[in-house]
Amino acid sequence: DQQVKQNSPSLSVQEGRISILNCDYTNSMFDYFLWYKKYPAEGPTFLISISSIKDKNEDGRFTVFLNKSAKHLSLHIVPSQPGDSAVYFCAREYGNKLVFGAGTILRVKS
Amino acid sequence: NAGVMQNPRHLVRRRGQEARLRCSPMKGHSHVYWYRQLPEEGLKFMVYLQKENIIDESGMPKERFSAEFPKEGPSILRIQQVVRGDSAAYFCASSGDRANQPQHFGDGTRLSIL
Repeated sequence: DQQVKQNSPSLSVQEGRISILNCDYTNSMFDYFLWYKKYPAEGPTFLISISSIKDKNEDGRFTVFLNKSAKHLSLHIVPSQPGDSAVYFCAREYGNKLVFGAGTILRVKS
Repeated sequence: NAGVMQNPRHLVRRRGQEARLRCSPMKGHSHVYWYRQLPEEGLKFMVYLQKENIIDESGMPKERFSAEFPKEGPSILRIQQVVRGDSAAYFCASSGDRANQPQHFGDGTRLSIL
């Protein structure tokens, strides 16, 4: 069972501060993880990814950290902006398909 | 717009009717995936297709659901004899041929069954 779990249904952050979204997974092997952002009535938009041969990947305000021993990854958004308010999904590539977490609603307050 | 195009955006059907959902992948992409999102849940994989071939249909319900990606034209997800439980958002994604390429998603079709 290639589970991906996002245990926090929601997160509220002040504008300009750091947002940290978390994700846990099971049954590790060589893996490729992705983060998507989703606005209401739109499809998921790819944000950033990381291969399990790395510990960190950075793209502008977005950084993903992978802790293989803890089977945990996190997405850091610095600084957070009101436009970042959305649902964030972590996903794991398993074969040819993506396995998604249930999502975390991020609200950035101005 | 070179993104993944899905139509219709909204589809209303009565129980027992057929629903056809269409997806045109991004230009240059030959891999198409369908996902379903039920209310309050994450996206769940349904099927993966390449041109004229179903590669993985492990997430497809055994009955009433089918998918195709013909040589010409969009990919089609077909649901026969729809039931209320089929109400969901159906998303299509596409990717290129290189390994570890992210899947890019369309804006989905919201299917409502009366």
